[in-house]
Amino acid sequence: SQELEQSPQSLIVQEGKNLTINCTSSKTLYGLYWYKQKYGEGLIFLMMLQKGGEEKSHEKITAKLDEKKQQSSLHITASQPSHAGIYLCGADNFGNEKLTFGTGTRLTIIP
Amino acid sequence: NAGVMQNPRHLVRRRGQEARLRCSPMKGHSHVYWYRQLPEEGLKFMVYLQKENIIDESGMPKERFSAEFPKEGPSILRIQQVVRGDSAAYFCASSASGALEAFFGPGTRLTVL
Repeated sequence: SQELEQSPQSLIVQEGKNLTINCTSSKTLYGLYWYKQKYGEGLIFLMMLQKGGEEKSHEKITAKLDEKKQQSSLHITASQPSHAGIYLCGADNFGNEKLTFGTGTRLTIIP
Repeated sequence: NAGVMQNPRHLVRRRGQEARLRCSPMKGHSHVYWYRQLPEEGLKFMVYLQKENIIDESGMPKERFSAEFPKEGPSILRIQQVVRGDSAAYFCASSASGALEAFFGPGTRLTVL
């Protein structure tokens, strides 16, 4: 079965600093999704990566998928309080958006 | 274009009662997925439906849980004879056929007393 590990489990970063969250799969992925979840709320879609070596950016968030399609990283530049939340990676193994999720990374931004 | 809608947002049930959770997918989306998030745990896939068909229910508990996505109306996740262990946040997601994006609703938080 698919196993998805995220690291770190929690992260405390000073406002303005850069940070990286990693997601590693035990299997080659068809697609890799990144979501953000605020406590008590739903998931906000950030980005989806499908091709080996692919990189996508939205505002100050950049996500990459390695060539082997087993590892992804999410990088936030010049972090802001609005970036605080739980970041989840989801693995699509079959191209049908049935996702296996990692346990999440809890990001806290301190002034 | 409204996003994925779920209702109720919060649901309280006593042990043994039934819980019905509703999910209206985004306009034009014909694929619905239900996930469960237990306290302090990650999201777990439950069931994948298309209109009038269950495609994959490998994540559904064998008993008391059922799901449907009728031709008209929202998708329904039904939990019969709820127990305290059913307390969780239940999320649905929808996507369009062949699309590579899945959008989530705000979730229904079920509390079983």
